[in-house]
Amino acid sequence: KNEVEQSPQNLTAQEGEFITINCSYSVGISALHWLQQHPGGGIVSLFMLSSGKKKHGRLIATINIQEKHSSLHITASHPRDSAVYICAVDMYSGGGADGLTFGKGTHLIIQP
Amino acid sequence: NAGVTQTPKFRVLKTGQSMTLLCAQDMNHEYMYWYRQDPGMGLRLIHYSVGEGTTAKGEVPDGYNVSRLKKQNFLLGLESAAPSQTSVYFCASVLTGGAKNIQYFGAGTRLSVL
Repeated sequence: KNEVEQSPQNLTAQEGEFITINCSYSVGISALHWLQQHPGGGIVSLFMLSSGKKKHGRLIATINIQEKHSSLHITASHPRDSAVYICAVDMYSGGGADGLTFGKGTHLIIQP
Repeated sequence: NAGVTQTPKFRVLKTGQSMTLLCAQDMNHEYMYWYRQDPGMGLRLIHYSVGEGTTAKGEVPDGYNVSRLKKQNFLLGLESAAPSQTSVYFCASVLTGGAKNIQYFGAGTRLSVL
């Protein structure tokens, strides 16, 4: 079973700051997902990575397969970025898709 | 195109009562999942389905049953609800599963068992 660890668990920052959330996992994977969950809301997929780096607007996700580590960065953070960010890994290896293994999430608050 | 729709959004049950949660997707996705989310824990997989008529157990299947009679619907049943099943339940779907596909989540069902 893959263990997915996220850090920090909670993060409070000021508007405009550069934010980094980290994710590490214990076993090799096929892909890593970053998800966003607003308070009381549903879950939205931000990125799916199997190598390298992806960027969407102010969000950047990177993954290092050898080190089993991924980071999610937010540039020029804004109060609307306040949410729980969840890292999840996909163990699929061709025989079937038995869902994702999730980290516990990072609760981010951006203060104006 | 509604995506993934869960009903109901909220429910309060008494211990021993039964209920069914419905997940419907209109994206012609093959794979569907039921997860539960509890405070201080990551989402955990209850059951999943890789196609119409097929289901499989996930990490925490006890106390739940599922059915996938139609490709677009995935039902989660609680035959005799227990307080330990108080949780937020999320349904998700994927086009074909695996490393090449993004999971689409429903808005969640908040269930309290008294």
